[in-house]
Amino acid sequence: DAGITQSPRHKVTETGTPVTLRCHQTENHRYMYWYRQDPGHGLRLIHYSYGVKDTDKGEVSDGYSVSRSKTEDFLLTLESATSSQTSVYFCAISQQGADTEAFFGQGTRLTVV
Amino acid sequence: QKEVEQNSGPLSVPEGAIASLNCTYSDRGSQSFFWYRQYSGKSPELIMSIYSNGDKEDGRFTAQLNKASQYVSLLIRDSQPSDSATYLCAVNKGSARQLTFGSGTQLTVLP
Repeated sequence: DAGITQSPRHKVTETGTPVTLRCHQTENHRYMYWYRQDPGHGLRLIHYSYGVKDTDKGEVSDGYSVSRSKTEDFLLTLESATSSQTSVYFCAISQQGADTEAFFGQGTRLTVV
Repeated sequence: QKEVEQNSGPLSVPEGAIASLNCTYSDRGSQSFFWYRQYSGKSPELIMSIYSNGDKEDGRFTAQLNKASQYVSLLIRDSQPSDSATYLCAVNKGSARQLTFGSGTQLTVLP
């Protein structure tokens, strides 16, 4: 299994509070991604990173921010959590180079009440 | 039109049969194609990747790619109950190799 650890694995938070999810990798892969998965929508890209301090928006980035200060860590922050952000969040990593696959972490189930 | 579309299913096949899963994509510039398997409550697991037209076989799994028709498929031969899962088609696009996923096809293999 790829060395990807997400924390926390489960979290319940209140509307309006900030929340930070962490993705830690031990593979030294260049690319890191945050996806959310919701019934009927599949996996959708929130933000991604192509190196330390290099990040960009994905398909559903509103209400989220990210940071990557070290190769191994990619943080996703919900600035002010809303019920629509209740979801399962997956981190993924990918090597540099053409035709490389992405591998996923175990996921974080977030509930906003 | 969705960028990646899969037959929504659910799909049921008897044990030992061939399961056929289909996927179409809209961006002709897409270069890399992947099939992930996801068991309920678990994370997606890569099972096949394909980059050029034709067939690619790995054990009981065969991926087929037709770039002219913008079509990717996954065949599972001798289906087993343990193959029961949701299968996600993904297409690689963008300079950072971001994946775009279909919504998945739920497969049930009946004993």
